[in-house]
Amino acid sequence: DQQVKQNSPSLSVQEGRISILNCDYTNSMFDYFLWYKKYPAEGPTFLISISSIKDKNEDGRFTVFLNKSAKHLSLHIVPSQPGDSAVYFCAASVRSGAQKLVFGQGTRLTINP
Amino acid sequence: DTAVSQTPKYLVTQMGNDKSIKCEQNLGHDTMYWYKQDSKKFLKIMFSYNNKELIINETVPNRFSPKSPDKAHLNLHINSLELGDSAVYFCASSKGGPGELFFGEGSRLTVL
Repeated sequence: DQQVKQNSPSLSVQEGRISILNCDYTNSMFDYFLWYKKYPAEGPTFLISISSIKDKNEDGRFTVFLNKSAKHLSLHIVPSQPGDSAVYFCAASVRSGAQKLVFGQGTRLTINP
Repeated sequence: DTAVSQTPKYLVTQMGNDKSIKCEQNLGHDTMYWYKQDSKKFLKIMFSYNNKELIINETVPNRFSPKSPDKAHLNLHINSLELGDSAVYFCASSKGGPGELFFGEGSRLTVL
């Protein structure tokens, strides 16, 4: 049973436009969410996070939105740049428990020049 | 200076062999992890250690045995390798608590 799902395996966006990556989760106990970015032959690197007490967190070109009632979060990248081409993983955890991140299967984002 | 380093990066071996993957972090973190990325690309936690103590042990076959000689190192030993063990194994570390994880580059294990 996959508790975190990214239903789009890939996404292609024009440079300069907005990229929107989506993630759904099923476990209502999750209260902390993160996005990771992964380049080929490298490990995932942390991008941005959000606590369940917020519905939005922004860091430069990256904004994460959380809709708790829908159990849905999204990552917006604007404007998209060629260097943003990577696989993006959504992850979720329970703050009070042991630090155990549950990951989605990733979305491959390609930014076209 | 690599924050989380794993060796080897690539490992090709025969079924039935025993192999180890080593991990070291120089971030001063208390917690270390092993994650497995399977053919479907899901990253799934296998083990977590906090200050050399095992705190997370997911449903992983007994053939997998983590060892943490000190809080900067977490090694993964795999006995009697099977075809299904082929995957990319990622080591990670964190300060502990609901914070970000720092991942190594991954070790791609291929079992023939």
